Amino acid sequence: EVKLVESGGGLVQPGRSLKLSCAASGFNFNDYWMGWVRQAPGKGLEWIGEINKDSSTINYTPSLKDKFTISRDNAQNTLYLQMSKLGSEDTAIYYCAREGPYWELFDYWGQGVMVTVSS
Amino acid sequence: DIQMTQSPSSMSASLGDRVTITCQASQDIGNNLIWFQQKPGKSPRRMIYYATNLANGVPSRFSGSRSGSDYSLTIISLESEDMADYHCLQYKQYPLTFGSGTKLEIK
Repeated sequence: EVKLVESGGGLVQPGRSLKLSCAASGFNFNDYWMGWVRQAPGKGLEWIGEINKDSSTINYTPSLKDKFTISRDNAQNTLYLQMSKLGSEDTAIYYCAREGPYWELFDYWGQGVMVTVSS
Repeated sequence: DIQMTQSPSSMSASLGDRVTITCQASQDIGNNLIWFQQKPGKSPRRMIYYATNLANGVPSRFSGSRSGSDYSLTIISLESEDMADYHCLQYKQYPLTFGSGTKLEIK
């Protein structure tokens, strides 16, 4: 069974940093691109970015490129999202998702982790 | 960026109704579009991929279609469990972009 489990969320002060993790199981993690998507309270979905199988290619939505860093550890089957200079606009549920070939693109999502930026 | 204009933003329909939700792409995206269903407090669930292909486990009352730059998700006979938010996503060009979502309620 494919499982994606995010962790590391919580309450963080404005201007601070936070690192989210996404633990993958039930599939060969090394064979898949992986991505992050977020959803602010009561709002739509926003694609944050993605990372390829060997971390040689990372794509971001331009508005977040200077604040967020996506990485992965294939030995640990884990995807990461390092967030810096957080502001209230970053308050959201953060999801990781599997980005396979088109027939498997976004077919599995984690349960999401809440990040609240507030003083 | 490619803009995905999704409509309606919300709608209410009766059980058994035929329901159609649409996304219009601002540029050519081919068939590179996914439809998701999202129930309250849950993660998105992929319903349709490559514009017209039914994802695994999705009931056959759901279908996806394309007419030019307009993409539609249709539910041919609405059931109570279909109450949810629906989102489209284009993946033709970076950055990937979602539609603004449609809230579907049951009358």
